[in-house]
Amino acid sequence: DGGITQSPKYLFRKEGQNVTLSCEQNLNHDAMYWYRQDPGQGLRLIYYSQIVNDFQKGDIAEGYSVSREKKESFPLTVTSAQKNPTAFYLCATRRGFTDTQYFGPGTRLTVL
Amino acid sequence: GESVGLHLPTLSVQEGDNSIINCAYSNSASDYFIWYKQESGKGPQFIIDIRSNMDKRQGQRVTVLLNKTVKHLSLQIAATQPGDSAVYFCAENPPGSQGNLIFGKGTKLSVKP
Repeated sequence: DGGITQSPKYLFRKEGQNVTLSCEQNLNHDAMYWYRQDPGQGLRLIYYSQIVNDFQKGDIAEGYSVSREKKESFPLTVTSAQKNPTAFYLCATRRGFTDTQYFGPGTRLTVL
Repeated sequence: GESVGLHLPTLSVQEGDNSIINCAYSNSASDYFIWYKQESGKGPQFIIDIRSNMDKRQGQRVTVLLNKTVKHLSLQIAATQPGDSAVYFCAENPPGSQGNLIFGKGTKLSVKP
């Protein structure tokens, strides 16, 4: 079964804790992205990676960190420095600069 | 479930009617455009795309129109069904963006049976 998987679907975090969101793909796409979605707002780019072992900050990278050790995986860590982390997080992949971007099913993070 | 439609423009149509959803894009040099459908609590789903060398592209029950003169994109859905109820948003691919898309905020489509 091909595609993008994100886990967990729902995640609850206490204030002060770091949490890691998983994103895995078997589409053999080079580029991977992390977005944050809040109600009534467009997608906001957190981090992106065009190739393995390289990643760039997006528009709202503060309080987040990523790694890209394998082509298939692009985990996102939400650190305690992120002041308002409750949101819907979406991972996406893209084969090339002019190709369609495909999204995973998302992870809903709630801070208790 | 996750609500992604709060405070968004809403389009309400009767089942069986045609729907037209509009999008104004920002960069006149953008060369690629995508329409997505997002149901509550789910990730966006690709619907149709169009490149800047085209004015119109048709898919199954959907048509995208591109007007580069006024930087306007529209999505037409024929014979709208209850399953079409979702938030729809467009994305543009500006030059020099390293493939990073710019996304619109979206329009919530509500289909009345």
